[in-house]
Amino acid sequence: GQNIDQPTEMTATEGAIVQINCTYQTSGFNGLFWYQQHAGEAPTFLSYNVLDGLEEKGRFSSFLSRSKGYSYLLLKELQMKDSASYLCAVTNSNFNKFYFGSGTKLNVKP
Amino acid sequence: GAVVSQHPSRVICKSGTSVKIECRSLDFQATTMFWYRQFPKQSLMLMATSNEGSKATYEQGVEKDKFLINHASLTLSTLTVTSAHPEDSSFYICSASKTGGKEKLFFGSGTQLSVL
Repeated sequence: GQNIDQPTEMTATEGAIVQINCTYQTSGFNGLFWYQQHAGEAPTFLSYNVLDGLEEKGRFSSFLSRSKGYSYLLLKELQMKDSASYLCAVTNSNFNKFYFGSGTKLNVKP
Repeated sequence: GAVVSQHPSRVICKSGTSVKIECRSLDFQATTMFWYRQFPKQSLMLMATSNEGSKATYEQGVEKDKFLINHASLTLSTLTVTSAHPEDSSFYICSASKTGGKEKLFFGSGTQLSVL
């Protein structure tokens, strides 16, 4: 089976930096994804990590440690529009299963 | 990119009726499509994996006779909620997997089902 944990909710201030953590236990791991989702909309792809390390893309960065079963999404220079839910998801070796964590609701305040 | 179209975006129906949701990959062939269900303020729950030309694989606890999935072609999968009841009201999202590139999984826009 799979067990994916994220904090339920976080609050941060506009312009600040926030780190959203995700831990997982799964079989046949072949990468971890981060998605952003606004209420009532489909998730939007942010990142995919399969190797250990940090990948940076603009204001967003994602880190993975396979040995620790741990990932984080780092959001810099927070904007009000970053208020959304952030989902981490893992996939198996054949990319024929994708499982999502419970999501972290991020509130960005002025 | 890759585009997945899902229709309808919203449906309201009476209890006891059946509702069909379509999921199409518009610019690529999708051997595998996934159906998720999402309750308010909760994450995506995988309901079933749909493979073209074969029976869908349902996750534990999902009634296959209640949620009929058909994946008749490489670009179309359908989910039919049979004899819908108010507790079936939810947001249903389909997605399709595509090899190559980092994104791997492409989502439809979702269907908000409300059963009265």
